[in-house]
Amino acid sequence: GESVGLHLPTLSVQEGDNSIINCAYSNSASDYFIWYKQESGKGPQFIIDIRSNMDKRQGQRVTVLLNKTVKHLSLQIAATQPGDSAVYFCAERGPNTGNQFYFGTGTSLTVIP
Amino acid sequence: GAVVSQHPSRVICKSGTSVKIECRSLDFQATTMFWYRQFPKQSLMLMATSNEGSKATYEQGVEKDKFLINHASLTLSTLTVTSAHPEDSSFYICSARVTRGYGYTFGSGTRLTVV
Repeated sequence: GESVGLHLPTLSVQEGDNSIINCAYSNSASDYFIWYKQESGKGPQFIIDIRSNMDKRQGQRVTVLLNKTVKHLSLQIAATQPGDSAVYFCAERGPNTGNQFYFGTGTSLTVIP
Repeated sequence: GAVVSQHPSRVICKSGTSVKIECRSLDFQATTMFWYRQFPKQSLMLMATSNEGSKATYEQGVEKDKFLINHASLTLSTLTVTSAHPEDSSFYICSARVTRGYGYTFGSGTRLTVV
């Protein structure tokens, strides 16, 4: 499968600060990307997605940026809250893989009150 | 919204026995479901793609005779871990594509412990 990796395995931020989580993907032909949040012992929770024909997409307190030139994704969380503490994964979907997603290593975000 | 219900959430079984994990799409039809496993502090690894009414597609290195997948209806996919061994202990998660839009929804996961 495709290789998707994250630059930072752990990240600690102060409550109220902004968080940036980075992700590198390997398949330049991947056409769709999703960021997930996973709390301990639970399944992943969809946060935000972006298609390859977009550079930026905003949601509620979250923004995803896609740089296809360097095959890089980032997730920005504004005004980080303690409830944002979790592991964050990016996942890419290759164009010819029957809708399968391949996940990156994950970044553990800890919000310090 | 689209919900996938996964059961059981936790199971402990003896080595050599088989365990069945179920995933049901509650308010939508899932023609395709995906099965992942996750070891502690690691990422999700795709095991197989389950298609309703046809054979599952397994990722390289996944033993199809050990991890039996059945997708008999548009709302139910099952994963059976046969002759389980301690090394099969893991967190198993199913996922389905939401029929409207491009999102994918996940089950809550099953923690399997083989003793």
